[in-house]
Amino acid sequence: GEDVEQSLFLSVREGDSSVINCTYTDSSSTYLYWYKQEPGAGLQLLTYIFSNMDMKQDQRLTVLLNKKDKHLSLRIADTQTGDSAIYFCAESDSGSARQLTFGSGTQLTVLP
Amino acid sequence: EADIYQTPRYLVIGTGKKITLECSQTMGHDKMYWYQQDPGMELHLIHYSYGVNSTEKGDLSSESTVSRIRTEHFPLTLESARPSHTSQYLCASSDPVGNTIYFGEGSWLTVV
Repeated sequence: GEDVEQSLFLSVREGDSSVINCTYTDSSSTYLYWYKQEPGAGLQLLTYIFSNMDMKQDQRLTVLLNKKDKHLSLRIADTQTGDSAIYFCAESDSGSARQLTFGSGTQLTVLP
Repeated sequence: EADIYQTPRYLVIGTGKKITLECSQTMGHDKMYWYQQDPGMELHLIHYSYGVNSTEKGDLSSESTVSRIRTEHFPLTLESARPSHTSQYLCASSDPVGNTIYFGEGSWLTVV
């Protein structure tokens, strides 16, 4: 079955860039997503990228997709303390249900 | 801004009680989902629906049941709660094309 893997923890200094990495195994993944989850809250969709794209930029967020290596990354520029959260990578198969397979999440801690 | 709502947000109930977690969305989405997430862990799909009168079980086996009588509502029911059901339950819906999936704030259930 599909598998999505992420590193569990990342710490950065305020103002630095953060890069959160994700690898997936399903070569039929159509959409790849990044979600943010703050403590006690649901998931907030940050951005998504189609499998036919290599890069997507949205303000401080840059998503890079390497289809050959099945590697997805999320770069947050000028990281702020409010960016501290768990970030989930997810992939969607090409089926009609658009079911998501989630990674285990990366806990980003922003240090002052 | 996603218009998907879950109630209750937090609930503590005794073993053997029946509980229904409500999920409503005002976006007219046909596809809706229930995910289960233990603290600090990844999300697992437990139920999904393509539309009214359509319900399917997800990847993770669950003793809960769902119904879809109206497009807007996708309630999840536990007939007899047990401590092993303690978890966060996240409801989601996706737009007609299925490109973006929106989550509710989640329902934290504790069974004592």
